[in-house]
Amino acid sequence: GQQVMQIPQYQHVQEGEDFTTYCNSSTTLSNIQWYKQRPGGHPVFLIQLVKSGEVKKQKRLTFQFGEAKKNSSLHITATQTTDVGTYFCAGRSTNAGKSTFGDGTTLTVKP
Amino acid sequence: DAGVIQSPRHEVTEMGQEVTLRCKPISGHDYLFWYRQTMMRGLELLIYFNNNVPIDDSGMPEDRFSAKMPNASFSTLKIQPSEPRDSAVYFCASIGGGWHQPQHFGDGTRLSIL
Repeated sequence: GQQVMQIPQYQHVQEGEDFTTYCNSSTTLSNIQWYKQRPGGHPVFLIQLVKSGEVKKQKRLTFQFGEAKKNSSLHITATQTTDVGTYFCAGRSTNAGKSTFGDGTTLTVKP
Repeated sequence: DAGVIQSPRHEVTEMGQEVTLRCKPISGHDYLFWYRQTMMRGLELLIYFNNNVPIDDSGMPEDRFSAKMPNASFSTLKIQPSEPRDSAVYFCASIGGGWHQPQHFGDGTRLSIL
């Protein structure tokens, strides 16, 4: 079945440093979604990427979809304490209905 | 707009007891998902429904778990009998308008089996 791998599992940064999490799929994806889960909270949708090579930005967050549509990344510039949480990617294979969530990357930010 | 509503928010019970978790999806959404989240296993999809019909229950751990969706606005996840290893946060999520739409998660039920 489809597998979605995320790395790293954990990332500890000093406030102001950059952060990147990577998502890799075993199959070609029709789309990929990114979610953020604050500690004690629930996953909240951030963005969806659909096109090969697509890049989208939300303030300090930059999302990329690979040319082969099998990988994606989320980059945060100059992290803040409000960025703390677990970031999940969820990829939907071209031949499957439901999306598969990665294991998430948990970000901690030291002030 | 009301989001996905789950109840109870917290449940503490002794092993062997029956546990029922409830979910009300966003009105008009036609997909409903049940997830379980633990530190060890991450976010696991247990089962999902489309138009109230169970489509994929391959993630349901064992026969002690069952899920129903009697109508478009209500679903239950039942564990009978419960065991300590069932302790986790259980999330319900819904989608409306097709697979390309984002999943909307409820606040979850934090379940502790003693």
